[in-house]
Amino acid sequence: GENVEQHPSTLSVQEGDSAVIKCTYSDSASNYFPWYKQELGKGPQLIIDIRSNVGEKKDQRIAVTLNKTAKHFSLHITETQPEDSAVYFCAATNYNNNDMRFGAGTRLTVKP
Amino acid sequence: ETGVTQSPTHLIKTRGQQVTLRCSSQSGHNTVSWYQQALGQGPQFIFQYYREEENGRGNFPPRFSGLQFPNYSSELNVNALELDDSALYLCASSLPGRRYEQYFGPGTRLTVT
Repeated sequence: GENVEQHPSTLSVQEGDSAVIKCTYSDSASNYFPWYKQELGKGPQLIIDIRSNVGEKKDQRIAVTLNKTAKHFSLHITETQPEDSAVYFCAATNYNNNDMRFGAGTRLTVKP
Repeated sequence: ETGVTQSPTHLIKTRGQQVTLRCSSQSGHNTVSWYQQALGQGPQFIFQYYREEENGRGNFPPRFSGLQFPNYSSELNVNALELDDSALYLCASSLPGRRYEQYFGPGTRLTVT
């Protein structure tokens, strides 16, 4: 089955700096890669996703990149703000699969 | 538009007891997935329900069971609770034809003592 690894486990940046979180996956059949943001006491919130037929996707300050050959995908947050502080999870699955596999999470802290 | 809701918010049970957790899917969503999130870890897939039937299951024992109702709401039942069942239980719902795109509720925090 799919195995997703996520790095780093913690990340601290200064407000205004960029943050990058990286994930690798093992199953070449995976074709959907969402990113979730989880704030304290809340459920994961879908913030952006990318499909295997696309190499990059951007939504305002957030971008995701996918390297299918290397089985890597990354989340990039630019101009970070204190409200970006949360735990971020990457995940991988196949459109026809029910089992979405999550990484272990990255705790991002943005210092004002 | 109402998002995914879950009840109760918190629950404390004793080892060996049974528990039922509830989930109401987001409007227009017909697929519900359940996840277990242990402290400091990512969510782990328990099972998915579609058209009131189980549609895939993760590596969880049979004492974890579920139901989906005609209005697409769902229940997660756990029998013979163990201490390791203490976790945040998350429900996620999906639109028809896009079950991979999952929207999560706030979760139910279960503590087993």
